[in-house]
Amino acid sequence: EAGVTQFPSHSVIEKGQTVTLRCDPISGHDNLYWYRRVMGKEIKFLLHFVKESKQDESGMPNNRFLAERTGGTYSTLKVQPAELEDSGVYFCASSQVGPRYGGSYGYTFGSGTRLTVV
Amino acid sequence: GQNIDQPTEMTATEGAIVQINCTYQTSGFNGLFWYQQHAGEAPTFLSYNVLDGLEEKGRFSSFLSRSKGYSYLLLKELQMKDSASYLCAVRAGANNLFFGTGTRLTVIP
Repeated sequence: EAGVTQFPSHSVIEKGQTVTLRCDPISGHDNLYWYRRVMGKEIKFLLHFVKESKQDESGMPNNRFLAERTGGTYSTLKVQPAELEDSGVYFCASSQVGPRYGGSYGYTFGSGTRLTVV
Repeated sequence: GQNIDQPTEMTATEGAIVQINCTYQTSGFNGLFWYQQHAGEAPTFLSYNVLDGLEEKGRFSSFLSRSKGYSYLLLKELQMKDSASYLCAVRAGANNLFFGTGTRLTVIP
């Protein structure tokens, strides 16, 4: 089975520009999560989709971040305008509805997008 | 809120055993995960504990004590390829994961 795919793997943009990150979850996984790791800190939760609906977006840092999941398949995370403190690695993870006992217990992570704002 | 602590770095010798500890304070605990992450790659699942006790899977074992808010990951017969970051993560609330900062393990010959 194909894993979670994230694009691009790296992005370098100037402060004030816009960047859109994309995540393709495992086919059939209704749950999709975005996480972010700022250098030297822990991976932090940003938001959670169930299909196309935002289940929890309590981790979104501010209104410069916009996540969408039209059609309940892939998701995009747009940062507009980007600031220096937005630099970090953005991870996406997916799981089936109601992670169950067994296997990876639902969460499969992508390799992340390393965003550098200069 | 959630608070998860683990050592920042550890070094161990090839062939040896290493134990990586994780303590947590959380509300709505619903399981604890250990992930392995090599630089530039996705975190990959190692183990899951939701009940107290030891879960063994090959060279890797994980222990959980919910009353103490404590877990450890035990790696046996260390290999050079085990050099990586090991992430402790607690599931709480609506199935969201909360991570520690990770422990960077270096295996030396």
